Amino acid sequence: RKEVEQDPGPFNVPEGATVAFNCTYSNSASQSFFWYRQDCRKEPKLLMSVYSSGNEDGRFTAQLNRASQYISLLIRDSKLSDSATYLCVVSPYDSWGKLQFGAGTQVVVTP
Amino acid sequence: GAGVSQSPSNKVTEKGKDVELRCDPISGHTALYWYRQSLGQGLEFLIYFQGNSAPDKSGLPSDRFSAERTGGSVSTLTIQRTQQEDSAVYLCASSLAVGGQPQHFGDGTRLSIL
Repeated sequence: RKEVEQDPGPFNVPEGATVAFNCTYSNSASQSFFWYRQDCRKEPKLLMSVYSSGNEDGRFTAQLNRASQYISLLIRDSKLSDSATYLCVVSPYDSWGKLQFGAGTQVVVTP
Repeated sequence: GAGVSQSPSNKVTEKGKDVELRCDPISGHTALYWYRQSLGQGLEFLIYFQGNSAPDKSGLPSDRFSAERTGGSVSTLTIQRTQQEDSAVYLCASSLAVGGQPQHFGDGTRLSIL
């Protein structure tokens, strides 16, 4: 079983719609969580950190559910420029430096 | 520059040759990481350095892979006797410290082994 699992998608989303997807992690000792965005053939870029209480950054909302060991990302009012692969990233407390990356969820926003 | 800098951007070499990839982290970042990403795959952790501590090499796939970080700044990843399965994008990242800090990535080196 992979340590971080994501639905690969693609999620095809009409422009202006809302899309949400989850990521599950297996290590209950995980302490830090992030969403990264990766465009085709580009490097990953930090989208947002995920805090226990949930957090929002503009059109993006991230939630953490420790009991069920998943995090979620919701994108409101989708823009064409939101088309990318979204990587779920987890940092275990017992292995700080080794961020664990999911394989990514592809989102395609269509006009 | 302000970001993580990697060189070369692209490297094409013949099977069996050695290659060196370079990473210059963000100034002031004490932690440096190497990953590789094969086409259509997620990121695979290779190694990280934190300050003067011994690096965590647990992700290196074989003894043909090695990395060093001189002076706590620039790092080189060396692959000896390259094989075709080594073809991938090699990504370097840095962070302020190890410990749940977000990592900032360079553009990567696209390595192709013929």
